[in-house]
Amino acid sequence: DTAVSQTPKYLVTQMGNDKSIKCEQNLGHDTMYWYKQDSKKFLKIMFSYNNKELIINETVPNRFSPKSPDKAHLNLHINSLELGDSAVYFCASSQESPPVTQYFGPGTRLLVL
Amino acid sequence: KQEVTQIPAALSVPEGENLVLNCSFTDSAIYNLQWFRQDPGKGLTSLLLIQSSQREQTSGRLNASLDKSSGRSTLYIAASQPGDSATYLCAVRLISGGYNKLIFGAGTRLAVHP
Repeated sequence: DTAVSQTPKYLVTQMGNDKSIKCEQNLGHDTMYWYKQDSKKFLKIMFSYNNKELIINETVPNRFSPKSPDKAHLNLHINSLELGDSAVYFCASSQESPPVTQYFGPGTRLLVL
Repeated sequence: KQEVTQIPAALSVPEGENLVLNCSFTDSAIYNLQWFRQDPGKGLTSLLLIQSSQREQTSGRLNASLDKSSGRSTLYIAASQPGDSATYLCAVRLISGGYNKLIFGAGTRLAVHP
């Protein structure tokens, strides 16, 4: 069984479009995260949700809006896509207390043309 | 602001060599430190996690050390194999406002050739 899954795996779209990436975890964790890995392979946290509540929101443009319908799901919606949004987006989950390892999804490769 | 640096950025070695990958961080107030492996086109796999009170952790051919006061960690890979080829990421876990987040280094891209 896949612990953390993301869909789609690849996403190619035009500038200005709106797109969503979905993430689901079946580990029973209470915290989920979105990370962005840019072309230089630097992985940076974007958002963190604990029990459906936003707890970390790094300096991310407000075109990015995470939504957590329940503890097992954290979706990322991106409005008005820009060229610079092209990256790999990783979802992860963990148990918050005590903080232990995070489990990562396979990534969604987004290319904005 | 916490910054994590990994040296070298890339490494190419023949099979069988023992390797040392380096990670340094600027703020010693970390909760723990974790080493991950990332294969091309794949997600991250956790290799070793060292709590701030620990000095090292071992798993098979991998050994990770932590010197929190000097802001350094090393990942030692013994008897490297072609299957070890991947990007190795170091990440420190900070506790902020009661919640934790990982700060990653840029990684070391390792190529082990037969």
